[in-house]
Amino acid sequence: AQSVAQPEDQVNVAEGNPLTVKCTYSVSGNPYLFWYVQYPNRGLQFLLKYITGDNLVKGSYGFEAEFNKSQTSFHLKKPSALVSDSALYFCAVRLNDYKLSFGAGTTVTVRA
Amino acid sequence: DAGITQSPRHKVTETGTPVTLRCHQTENHRYMYWYRQDPGHGLRLIHYSYGVKDTDKGEVSDGYSVSRSKTEDFLLTLESATSSQTSVYFCAISAGVGYGYTFGSGTRLTVV
Repeated sequence: AQSVAQPEDQVNVAEGNPLTVKCTYSVSGNPYLFWYVQYPNRGLQFLLKYITGDNLVKGSYGFEAEFNKSQTSFHLKKPSALVSDSALYFCAVRLNDYKLSFGAGTTVTVRA
Repeated sequence: DAGITQSPRHKVTETGTPVTLRCHQTENHRYMYWYRQDPGHGLRLIHYSYGVKDTDKGEVSDGYSVSRSKTEDFLLTLESATSSQTSVYFCAISAGVGYGYTFGSGTRLTVV
């Protein structure tokens, strides 16, 4: 079955330090991969996506993600985390032409 | 989010009563989705629609029904609300999976 896994329920980092949120995928064929962020009491917001092309994808709010086919990973990264990056992050993969499958989510806490 | 609205934003209802949640879009997107979000479960797909009057079940459809009589509106009905349906419900729209989803702000439903 096609799916994504987020192996960490929580990630804690200090402000100014690099932030990485991990995602691995299991799909047949070429994956379409996405990252979303959810701030408290809000809906999910699109951050970035990989469909084809350059393995390093740049997105909103200074985030980027690296597609690694050999490791079947699509980790989200930010070089210098901000307290305002504290949120719930979801990785997602295409199931078919109209459905995504979401990971369980990773809560990021950035301490001042 | 722009182009998609959910109503109501909050609702408290009694066990056994029917409840209808509304999702309205102004983007003319073909695909619409209803998810529920619960701690420890991430996002779970309830029902989705791939066109007017075309709907299908997701992974947690028991106790829920949907209708889409117009492109812009997707209604979710809890036929007889139970406490296990206390959750935050999100609607999403998509022009196709390559474009990702746009999420509404959510409806917090409490069944007492």
